[in-house]
Amino acid sequence: DQQVKQNSPSLSVQEGRISILNCDYTNSMFDYFLWYKKYPAEGPTFLISISSIKDKNEDGRFTVFLNKSAKHLSLHIVPSQPGDSAVYFCAPRAKYSGGGADGLTFGKGTHLIIQP
Amino acid sequence: EPEVTQTPSHQVTQMGQEVILRCVPISNHLYFYWYRQILGQKVEFLVSFYNNEISEKSEIFDDQFSVERPDGSNFTLKIRSTKLEDSAMYFCASSLQGRSNQPQHFGDGTRLSIL
Repeated sequence: DQQVKQNSPSLSVQEGRISILNCDYTNSMFDYFLWYKKYPAEGPTFLISISSIKDKNEDGRFTVFLNKSAKHLSLHIVPSQPGDSAVYFCAPRAKYSGGGADGLTFGKGTHLIIQP
Repeated sequence: EPEVTQTPSHQVTQMGQEVILRCVPISNHLYFYWYRQILGQKVEFLVSFYNNEISEKSEIFDDQFSVERPDGSNFTLKIRSTKLEDSAMYFCASSLQGRSNQPQHFGDGTRLSIL
């Protein structure tokens, strides 16, 4: 099952610079894309999301870009701070028409390391 | 800020034994989920639960697994006869609504070790 690919297992960025984390997907039914951050010994924490009808969503230092034709999204963090060191997961969701809810499909994650 | 709490943080169990993992979702949330992460692998969806019944379940969630909301606050995952390959971090999550734009809020997980 490779619906979501995060091809960089790790990324090292200097403090103050821009961090760019990438995610590719194959399922054209995905209509929302969520990013989660995870510290060791903690659960994933929701960071930012984007709807498939948009190509950009910004929240403070975090911006997510979506290229639907390429089935690619990226998370930009600028400026990067030491507290941003964590594993970042891309988690798309398909439109759900049932009465309940379906689960998230996580990528393998990218370990971001911010160097002082 | 309200949070999802999970107990215990670490559970060690003999193979073949039953185990119950417990979760207290955020109080006004209506949708509940279990995920697991085997060491070095992806976080994988197990099951979602709404209105006292399972909404969706993955292939992983076989007859050995069951979920229950025994009262107004707890949400449990039971593994009937544990296997070595059940060793993983188990995360509980909850959301206010089930729509695709609603983020799920995760607990810090229970590390399950099967001996």
